[in-house]
Amino acid sequence: AQTVTQSQPEMSVQEAETVTLSCTYDTSESDYYLFWYKQPPSRQMILVIRQEAYKQQNATENRFSVNFQKAAKSFSLKISDSQLGDAAMYFCAYRTPGWRGGGADGLTFGKGTHLIIQP
Amino acid sequence: NAGVTQTPKFQVLKTGQSMTLQCAQDMNHEYMSWYRQDPGMGLRLIHYSVGAGITDQGEVPNGYNVSRSTTEDFPLRLLSAAPSQTSVYFCASQQGINSNQPQHFGDGTRLSIL
Repeated sequence: AQTVTQSQPEMSVQEAETVTLSCTYDTSESDYYLFWYKQPPSRQMILVIRQEAYKQQNATENRFSVNFQKAAKSFSLKISDSQLGDAAMYFCAYRTPGWRGGGADGLTFGKGTHLIIQP
Repeated sequence: NAGVTQTPKFQVLKTGQSMTLQCAQDMNHEYMSWYRQDPGMGLRLIHYSVGAGITDQGEVPNGYNVSRSTTEDFPLRLLSAAPSQTSVYFCASQQGINSNQPQHFGDGTRLSIL
């Protein structure tokens, strides 16, 4: 079974600075998908960014970018120019492609990193 | 723009009671799933469905039943509630079963079992 590890339970950053959240995963698959989700106090799960394992180019979405290191099984999220609205829990998630059955067809989540933005 | 709708938002049950958490999506998504979120943990997959009439178990299926009679609806049933099932439950849907598509989440149901 796949596992996802987020080693930083909590991170704090000054507003306007850059912060990097870590994520590592364990899999024997060569093709898979990785996601970062944001969960603000409202409890909604909001997709921040996604990465296909077969793509070498790191995904970017405005102030959010990833550093995807496939060999190291690492998928970190960089938030540039941090804003107060970025304060939330951030979850890294993994998924294998297609439908395989046997309980393997959903997102596997890490335990999350609580991001605090200091004004 | 309803997206994924979960009802109720909050519920308190007594041990042994049964109930159904409702989930509906209006995006014609094939894939739907249920997760539970416990303190200090990420979401864990309970059950999922890749289309009407097809369901499968996830990581933590015990104590829960699901069915998928229509594309739109994917209810989660607790047959005999236990305190260990106190959690926040999320329903999600996804277009197709190719996993590069993002999952859309409902707002969650906070369930307390006394």
